[in-house]
Amino acid sequence: GAGVSQSPSNKVTEKGKDVELRCDPISGHTALYWYRQSLGQGLEFLIYFQGNSAPDKSGLPSDRFSAERTGGSVSTLTIQRTQQEDSAVYLCASSLGGGITELFFGSGTQLSVL
Amino acid sequence: DQQVKQNSPSLSVQEGRISILNCDYTNSMFDYFLWYKKYPAEGPTFLISISSIKDKNEDGRFTVFLNKSAKHLSLHIVPSQPGDSAVYFCAASEGNKLVFGAGTILRVKS
Repeated sequence: GAGVSQSPSNKVTEKGKDVELRCDPISGHTALYWYRQSLGQGLEFLIYFQGNSAPDKSGLPSDRFSAERTGGSVSTLTIQRTQQEDSAVYLCASSLGGGITELFFGSGTQLSVL
Repeated sequence: DQQVKQNSPSLSVQEGRISILNCDYTNSMFDYFLWYKKYPAEGPTFLISISSIKDKNEDGRFTVFLNKSAKHLSLHIVPSQPGDSAVYFCAASEGNKLVFGAGTILRVKS
């Protein structure tokens, strides 16, 4: 597709369940980012992938959060044993990489943990 | 500790007038700054950027000003249009990631 695609667009889950969020970046973009936006907050950096380099996981809030990027393209963000405070919009972005450049964001996944 | 701060949660402006959105930062190592615009249920979209070696960058109705000594930047929209109503995020680059402010909701009244 022409833009960054995220699925699902909405996810409602029960506390304690695991969830997987998917991101398809723009073709040819080597850098991929996950951010989240909690209600009334700014965008919080979670994790960054650049090519085949080790990801920058410095923003992951706990060990319940993990992400992988297969084949340098699609990425999955997994949240285990979800908590109510995990409720947020999870945004994926990609860029051409090679230093900070314009990030292109997907529409996000609205996660609601009941 | 918020490194990028947008102290005004919201701003209301009359159509045709100037909108001024402000942003302050604390990290003097930031070397590139961007503004993003976000409509409801959509991801943020890039609006305009400025390098730390400049103090002004203009693109049509949008101008970004950078005051490095004050660690302050601002976005001016002239003239404001109802379609500009959105959330505006200020961001600064730290290495390979962007640090975002909390956003300012701009409402342009017709």
